[in-house]
Amino acid sequence: DAKTTQPPSMDCAEGRAANLPCNHSTISGNEYVYWYRQIHSQGPQYIIHGLKNNETNEMASLIITEDRKSSTLILPHATLRDTAVYYCIVRGSGGSNYKLTFGKGTLLTVNP
Amino acid sequence: KAGVTQTPRYLIKTRGQQVTLSCSPISGHRSVSWYQQTPGQGLQFLFEYFSETQRNKGNFPGRFSGRQFSNSRSEMNVSTLELGDSALYLCASSLTGIGDYGYTFGSGTRLTVV
Repeated sequence: DAKTTQPPSMDCAEGRAANLPCNHSTISGNEYVYWYRQIHSQGPQYIIHGLKNNETNEMASLIITEDRKSSTLILPHATLRDTAVYYCIVRGSGGSNYKLTFGKGTLLTVNP
Repeated sequence: KAGVTQTPRYLIKTRGQQVTLSCSPISGHRSVSWYQQTPGQGLQFLFEYFSETQRNKGNFPGRFSGRQFSNSRSEMNVSTLELGDSALYLCASSLTGIGDYGYTFGSGTRLTVV
């Protein structure tokens, strides 16, 4: 799996959009970008994933650059409950890749 | 629908003992993975099972083992516990474990070895 780079921490004001960047410059053509988050002492929670196109669901939007070397997770209206560690993971879709490789993630703190 | 259920939630064991943790995946999910989370090493992959077969194993000593039953429920066992095995153990289930399906994690079992 390609390696990802994320800032260790970010702050965001409640109600504002939170934009979390991720660099994955060595991503290959069949690898997806996944985002998970982990609220303190809970299991990671799936947020969104994408291959090439931008994706949106009820939780967030995922913007992937055209060269696929970086992506941004957008939480449109951050709330205090969005304070968590956010993990960007690159993972192939087939073969023997039956796991997620977590990095250190970004600690997002949403402030009142 | 019910999520991934892990039991017990908390466990305290003595060094040298063994422990068994249980995971019930989401109904219909056939892939179950296990992860260890510690403050120093973060989230690390232990192993993954599909249809009672281990398909992938992380870089952990042989004291860590697992199995999966025909109903997809899974157990992991740690023998001869060491202080460093204190961690949050997380189970994740997925439809098949491959493809672009996401994983659903349980709340974990917090193991403390004293």
